[in-house]
Amino acid sequence: GENVEQHPSTLSVQEGDSAVIKCTYSDSASNYFPWYKQELGKRPQLIIDIRSNVGEKKDQRIAVTLNKTAKHFSLHITETQPEDSAVYFCAASIGSGGSNYKLTFGKGTLLTVNP
Amino acid sequence: EADIYQTPRYLVIGTGKKITLECSQTMGHDKMYWYQQDPGMELHLIHYSYGVNSTEKGDLSSESTVSRIRTEHFPLTLESARPSHTSQYLCASRPSLGRQETQYFGPGTRLLVL
Repeated sequence: GENVEQHPSTLSVQEGDSAVIKCTYSDSASNYFPWYKQELGKRPQLIIDIRSNVGEKKDQRIAVTLNKTAKHFSLHITETQPEDSAVYFCAASIGSGGSNYKLTFGKGTLLTVNP
Repeated sequence: EADIYQTPRYLVIGTGKKITLECSQTMGHDKMYWYQQDPGMELHLIHYSYGVNSTEKGDLSSESTVSRIRTEHFPLTLESARPSHTSQYLCASRPSLGRQETQYFGPGTRLLVL
């Protein structure tokens, strides 16, 4: 089955700096890669996702890049703010075209943005 | 409002008790999932369902059971709670049609077994 590795497990940055979280996946058939943000005591919420036919996607201060050849994808947050502090999870899925409707999650990255 | 609802939100119970955690979604999604998560930690898939009368065990072995008699309802039952079951339980769902792979999570149930 799919295996997703996520690094780093913790990341501390100064407000205004950029943050990068990286994930690798093992199954070359995976074609959907969402990122979830989970604030303390809250549910995980989708912040951005990318499909394998796209190399990069951006939404204001966050962006995701995908390298299918190397089987890795990354989350980039620019101009970080204290409210970006949370646990971020990457995930991978083979998607609706196949029989696997499960997401495989990374172990999470605790991002702390210091004022 | 279309959403995923979980009850109770918090539960403290003694060892050996039977408990059922409720999950309902009003989004018409076919696929539903249960995850176990210690606060801020990894999400472990324990059960999932692709539709009515369909249930499967997830990647993490669990002593719980699930049922899916109605599309919108996916309850999780622990026949005999133990302290090792103390955790947060998150329900999620996703649509079937089109290329909608996104899973939406409920607010979670925090369970403490004494």
